[in-house]
Amino acid sequence: EDQVTQSPEALRLQEGESSSLNCSYTVSGLRGLFWYRQDPGKGPEFLFTLYSAGEEKEKERLKATLTKKESFLHITAPKPEDSATYLCAVQAKSQNFVFGPGTRLSVLP
Amino acid sequence: DAGVTQSPTHLIKTRGQQVTLRCSPKSGHDTVSWYQQALGQGPQFIFQYYEEEERQRGNFPDRFSGHQFPNYSSELNVNALLLGDSALYLCASSWGVENYGYTFGSGTRLTVV
Repeated sequence: EDQVTQSPEALRLQEGESSSLNCSYTVSGLRGLFWYRQDPGKGPEFLFTLYSAGEEKEKERLKATLTKKESFLHITAPKPEDSATYLCAVQAKSQNFVFGPGTRLSVLP
Repeated sequence: DAGVTQSPTHLIKTRGQQVTLRCSPKSGHDTVSWYQQALGQGPQFIFQYYEEEERQRGNFPDRFSGHQFPNYSSELNVNALLLGDSALYLCASSWGVENYGYTFGSGTRLTVV
């Protein structure tokens, strides 16, 4: 069964304090691993897609990396506006998405 | 270019009632997927529609049904509502069965009382 777990469940950082979020997955036939940002009461907003181990993507203060078993979302010098829930999802052979429970990030000024 | 639009944004229903949620896909997209997101959890896949047919289905009971229209818009119907059906219902549209350009709408918040 395709499964995605994320850690930590919640993370509080001071502004400028860098950290990483983890996404571990088991999937039959990975077609892609996706990171989304979700603000309260809103739909997920696409951040990155990674397709193969060793791949990295960057966008502003965020950098996503992928291994055969997990992905990391690195946040460098975060700002309060980076506060959100970060969701990881895998697209399996079935083409549909399996999401993890998310990591709630709070960045304090 | 309009993204994925969902209606209504909020809805309150009573246990046992039926509800219909609507989704218009992003321009150029022909595939619609529906997700249920309970508070504090990740989205759970309900089903996907392509060419007006249900192509994939997650682990949801038959009380959850859907439809896709010739213009690619879609409806999600839930019968005999339970308190546990309270959630944010998300629609995602994409192109083709391989789900290119997967894009989410802002969701419909359903509260069952």
